[in-house]
Amino acid sequence: DAGVIQSPRHEVTEMGQEVTLRCKPISGHDYLFWYRQTMMRGLELLIYFNNNVPIDDSGMPEDRFSAKMPNASFSTLKIQPSEPRDSAVYFCASSSLPGQGAAEQFFGPGTRLTVL
Amino acid sequence: GQQVMQIPQYQHVQEGEDFTTYCNSSTTLSNIQWYKQRPGGHPVFLIQLVKSGEVKKQKRLTFQFGEAKKNSSLHITATQTTDVGTYFCAGRDTGGFKTIFGAGTRLFVKA
Repeated sequence: DAGVIQSPRHEVTEMGQEVTLRCKPISGHDYLFWYRQTMMRGLELLIYFNNNVPIDDSGMPEDRFSAKMPNASFSTLKIQPSEPRDSAVYFCASSSLPGQGAAEQFFGPGTRLTVL
Repeated sequence: GQQVMQIPQYQHVQEGEDFTTYCNSSTTLSNIQWYKQRPGGHPVFLIQLVKSGEVKKQKRLTFQFGEAKKNSSLHITATQTTDVGTYFCAGRDTGGFKTIFGAGTRLFVKA
């Protein structure tokens, strides 16, 4: 398996522009997580899905952020409009069964976002 | 809400010295996971602890879960330069599926 795939790996944009981050989870995993990592705030859970349904979006910072999972193999995180304080590394992770057993999360390589 | 505190924030050691990072939760955890993130990389799962008082070992790494299931530790014996990175604990609250990550401990190893 190729693991969790994220695109783009790097994104540089100007304030006010729309940014879309993409994630393909590991096949068969039914949980998908979006995280944001910064030096100041560490690794923050933004939202997670179970079977394509958003379960907890309490970590989404503002209405400018939205996430979708139209099918089991694809998810997007959109920021519109983007602001410089959104600059961070955004990770997508997937898991097969977080409630039981060794339900480890497999992280993608991340998207490094810079908003100028 | 649930909080997971991790100390220290940074640790500099000489190669061969031991290293320990500690994790404390404000609530009882159903389990705790440990991840390692190399500089410029992404978090990689190391281990999960589920039982009260559980101790697990992976070569030079020893993981402990407290009796009250509110704290955990990771101890590395005789550090090597390959141990460099940030170590995160991640706890899941009882009855929930959300996993909260600690702030991480960044380990520097001087050869």
